[in-house]
Amino acid sequence: AQKVTQAQTEISVVEKEDVTLDCVYETRDTTYYLFWYKQPPSGELVFLIRRNSFDEQNEISGRYSWNFQKSTSSFNFTITASQVVDSAVYFCATNRDDKIIFGKGTRLHILP
Amino acid sequence: EAGVTQFPSHSVIEKGQTVTLRCDPISGHDNLYWYRRVMGKEIKFLLHFVKESKQDESGMPNNRFLAERTGGTYSTLKVQPAELEDSGVYFCASSQDWARVYEQYFGPGTRLTVT
Repeated sequence: AQKVTQAQTEISVVEKEDVTLDCVYETRDTTYYLFWYKQPPSGELVFLIRRNSFDEQNEISGRYSWNFQKSTSSFNFTITASQVVDSAVYFCATNRDDKIIFGKGTRLHILP
Repeated sequence: EAGVTQFPSHSVIEKGQTVTLRCDPISGHDNLYWYRRVMGKEIKFLLHFVKESKQDESGMPNNRFLAERTGGTYSTLKVQPAELEDSGVYFCASSQDWARVYEQYFGPGTRLTVT
């Protein structure tokens, strides 16, 4: 069955430091999607990225980058030069049929 | 284009009472989903509508939860009677069609507190 593990429950870093959020997934499917979402203190879920399992290229978007490694079933997320506004809960997810399967989330505190 | 909207944003009710949550998907989106996150746990799928039909309701926790999507537009999720363990954030999401079922746009959520 599909499962997403985010081993880091909570992380605190000082502003401007780089931080990596780990995500390990399990899936029985050969084709699947991986996602990252951000939940800021205001509560809404903000979509960050969706990656198809066929596309193992790493992606960079501004200060955000994602490292997809199929060999280790990992889809890690790095924030470079973190800012206080990055403080949020971050969820990694995969899909099972029509459902998105979320990990438990990593609460990230960026300290000024 | 307006996003997914949910009402209310926050609801506080007593155990045993009834609460109805509403979700308005993005206009034209056939697929509508309900998810919830209870305290400290992961966000979990509840059910999936395709238009007005329930495609998958495997995540509904028990028969105290009733979801409807009359006319295939907005959806309601009723909890009756509410229990303490129902407290959490209820998210609604929508996607345009089956080909884009993974492009789910989430609403801001409804925070439900049962006291």
